[in-house]
Amino acid sequence: RKEVEQDPGPFNVPEGATVAFNCTYSNSASQSFFWYRQDCRKEPKLLMSVYSSGNEDGRFTAQLNRASQYISLLIRDSKLSDSATYLCVVNTSSASKIIFGSGTRLSIRP
Amino acid sequence: EAQVTQNPRYLITVTGKKLTVTCSQNMNHEYMSWYRQDPGLGLRQIYYSMNVEVTDKGDVPEGYKVSRKEKRNFPLILESPSPNQTSLYFCASKREGGYGYTFGSGTRLTVV
Repeated sequence: RKEVEQDPGPFNVPEGATVAFNCTYSNSASQSFFWYRQDCRKEPKLLMSVYSSGNEDGRFTAQLNRASQYISLLIRDSKLSDSATYLCVVNTSSASKIIFGSGTRLSIRP
Repeated sequence: EAQVTQNPRYLITVTGKKLTVTCSQNMNHEYMSWYRQDPGLGLRQIYYSMNVEVTDKGDVPEGYKVSRKEKRNFPLILESPSPNQTSLYFCASKREGGYGYTFGSGTRLTVV
C-alpha cells in the first residue's frame, strides 16, 4: 500500500463548479499535511497547509481527519486557472521526510 | 527574490558519462532535498540534507550522490548515468521548523 494515495483523476468539471479531492495516508504518526499545486512541466508550489480544525483560503478549503487518516481539498466556484495537478503531501515524524501523493489532475472547462 | 535555482534546465547525456546538477538557494534554509518525478509514481525523494555536512538517503538513492559543503548549495551527482535515470528532477529547500518546501524549476534529464 502506498504511504499517500490520491485518485489520479482526471477530474473534468465546468467552470463555476465545486470540486473536492481526498487523499489518504497510512502512517498514523504523520504530523503535518499540505496541498501543493503543480502546473504542467512546472515545479510544485505550496497551496495551503492543512489543520485539524480545517482552514480556508478564499475559494479553497482544506480539512484533516486524523481518525480516518485522510485530508481533503474543496475548491468552490472553480476557475479555468485552477486547472492543474494537486498533490497531497504528508510530513512524517522526521522533519525532512515528506511524502508526496501521485497527484490528482483537474481540468476546468469553459 | 527568494528562490531555488537549478541548472541545467534540460540535459541530454549518454550512458556512463558523469554529470552534476547544481542547486542553490538564497533563503538561508537548513533543509534541502532532491526529488525525481516520473509518470504514475509521483515525486520520490532521492537524498536530503538537514544542514551543512549532514545528508541522508531518501527513498530512491541508488545511482546518485550528493554533497553539502555550503549551506546554499546541494548538488546532485550521477557518477554513471543510466537510461532508468531519465526523469524530471527537482531540488527543494525549507527552513528548520518551517513548513512547505520551495522548489526549483526542475531539470529534465534524458540519458540515452
